[in-house]
Amino acid sequence: ETGVTQTPRHLVMGMTNKKSLKCEQHLGHNAMYWYKQSAKKPLELMFVYSLEERVENNSVPSRFSPECPNSSHLFLHLHTLQPEDSALYLCASSQDWDGGTQYFGPGTRLLVL
Amino acid sequence: AQRVTQPEKLLSVFKGAPVELKCNYSYSGSPELFWYVQYSRQRLQLLLRHISRESIKGFTADLNKGETSFHLKKPFAQEEDSAMYYCALRNYGGATNKLIFGTGTLLAVQP
Repeated sequence: ETGVTQTPRHLVMGMTNKKSLKCEQHLGHNAMYWYKQSAKKPLELMFVYSLEERVENNSVPSRFSPECPNSSHLFLHLHTLQPEDSALYLCASSQDWDGGTQYFGPGTRLLVL
Repeated sequence: AQRVTQPEKLLSVFKGAPVELKCNYSYSGSPELFWYVQYSRQRLQLLLRHISRESIKGFTADLNKGETSFHLKKPFAQEEDSAMYYCALRNYGGATNKLIFGTGTLLAVQP
């Protein structure tokens, strides 16, 4: 599959669970991003990785832990989440961290019970 | 602080009518602005960026620095234009390609 893919597409988890979201880009880009999209709120940038190095952490609670093992893969590890963390989590990539259009994945719809 | 404002949550027009989706921004430097679109059951994708000065699917947007606006316009709406539209501002502060998004406007084109 081309472009940016995300798995799973839907996830339901309890507050004590540990789960991970996965993002993969097939575009040869060097920068990857995690966004959170909640109802009635703008898209919120969570993390930015450039060449596998985290360059931005947008004051995200520590219960969200990103991991970027290589420039094509990005994970978001989740543990002890709260119901207010329920949202659509979008992954995006761009050629470089300092320019270019961002390409988005389809998102993972997360529900925390 | 950098901010993008889209005052309309919903804009409903009839097919063939002109469309204007409003976007205002606040930014202290030289902004770079984008419009992203999300059609039903599709992913968010770039529609146009102001530096390209191009027309995509009949849509245009002009950056007005005096009014700090970047409104999206189309002279004749089509049903397939129905989608969620997000205005975004690129923040040059720091060393990242950071996009700041508005809350979005749902465009509904009625037949």
